[in-house]
Amino acid sequence: DVKVTQSSRYLVKRTGEKVFLECVQDMDHENMFWYRQDPGLGLRLIYFSYDVKMKEKGDIPEGYSVSREKKERFSLILESASTNQTSMYLCASSLIGTDQETQYFGPGTRLLVL
Amino acid sequence: AQTVTQSQPEMSVQEAETVTLSCTYDTSENNYYLFWYKQPPSRQMILVIRQEAYKQQNATENRFSVNFQKAAKSFSLKISDSQLGDTAMYFCAFMSFSNEKLTFGTGTRLTIIP
Repeated sequence: DVKVTQSSRYLVKRTGEKVFLECVQDMDHENMFWYRQDPGLGLRLIYFSYDVKMKEKGDIPEGYSVSREKKERFSLILESASTNQTSMYLCASSLIGTDQETQYFGPGTRLLVL
Repeated sequence: AQTVTQSQPEMSVQEAETVTLSCTYDTSENNYYLFWYKQPPSRQMILVIRQEAYKQQNATENRFSVNFQKAAKSFSLKISDSQLGDTAMYFCAFMSFSNEKLTFGTGTRLTIIP
């Protein structure tokens, strides 16, 4: 089974702090994604990566950056956390090629910025 | 840009009954995938069912089936013989053949009543 793990289930940070959210997948997937989930808004794509050191902006990249130094790991960085970044963050991964359309999700990180 | 609309924020149904969740989408593309994902309370998002737009036959997975109406851009999910474990948020999602990005609806919270 595909396994996608995220470094924390819950995080509490203060405004202005630098925040790192990490995601690791164990199935050698090329594509990795970061989403933000808010009530009434569904999931919105922040950034995605289709290869090591490659990244593309999603629909809401402002205030975020990402890093992918190894194929299995994709980090989301909040350079200076703000209260409007309080949210649930979901990581996902998928293959290129056969079954590329199916994304596998991590358990999510619920971030509270005070 | 594609949009996905789920017009039912919440639904509830008695155990063993059948329930249908609605989803409509807007796109100018001809080749795409549609998905239903399930997010149980405090648990990981998982794929329920997917449909390739070029296939006329509706997808079925055990108690889950879809009614795909391409001309109407409608993609509803039917859950038969509903079970307590079906209680979850359900998200409809769209992906074009030309990229691996998912566009999600806002979700429907389904509660199965014992």
